Amino acid sequence: GAVVSQHPSWVICKSGTSVKIECRSLDFQATTMFWYRQFPKQSLMLMATSNEGSKATYEQGVEKDKFLINHASLTLSTLTVTSAHPEDSSFYICSFAGQDGEQFFGPGTRLTVL
Amino acid sequence: AQSVTQLDSQVPVFEEAPVELRCNYSSSVSVYLFWYVQYPNQGLQLLLKYLSGSTLVESINGFEAEFNKSQTSFHLRKPSVHISDTAEYFCAATYGGATNKLIFGTGTLLAVQP
Repeated sequence: GAVVSQHPSWVICKSGTSVKIECRSLDFQATTMFWYRQFPKQSLMLMATSNEGSKATYEQGVEKDKFLINHASLTLSTLTVTSAHPEDSSFYICSFAGQDGEQFFGPGTRLTVL
Repeated sequence: AQSVTQLDSQVPVFEEAPVELRCNYSSSVSVYLFWYVQYPNQGLQLLLKYLSGSTLVESINGFEAEFNKSQTSFHLRKPSVHISDTAEYFCAATYGGATNKLIFGTGTLLAVQP
């Protein structure tokens, strides 16, 4: 399968600051990619779907002005959590879409907001 | 609404014993099914998938799953588990193929004990 990296793997920040998470596909190109968040001992919750070169589509209840997605190329996407608060602390996972519904996931980024 | 159900949140099992992790999906004309595994603080790795054809699919590490259309199930089985199989297992489905949007179950923690 494709290799997907995320940077940073973990980050601690103060409340009110912004954090950028980078998701990169190392050996694969995809038009469509996804951002998820996962709370402890829970399943993945889809936050948004993005297609390269166009605006992301956010799931109901996800604030698009808080979670900014930039799908810069077929191998790179970034998620910026703006004005982060403790309730934004979570595990954020990106994925790139493959064929037949398969997705290739990054290793995740653990965000802790103090 | 389309959904994936994993009834067991945790399955404890002794090493070398068989195990079955249950997954049911909401019925649809077109559905692709997946099992993903997640080790602590890591992203998801594809274990196996069903797209079409043979209803029994296998992974390289001894897991298998059978697509059962009449029971709308895609249970994951392994005849003999190892300590290293301890992880969270997610069943997922995509409906209508092309959108790639995955619907995840809530996950099952497979806890293998010596």
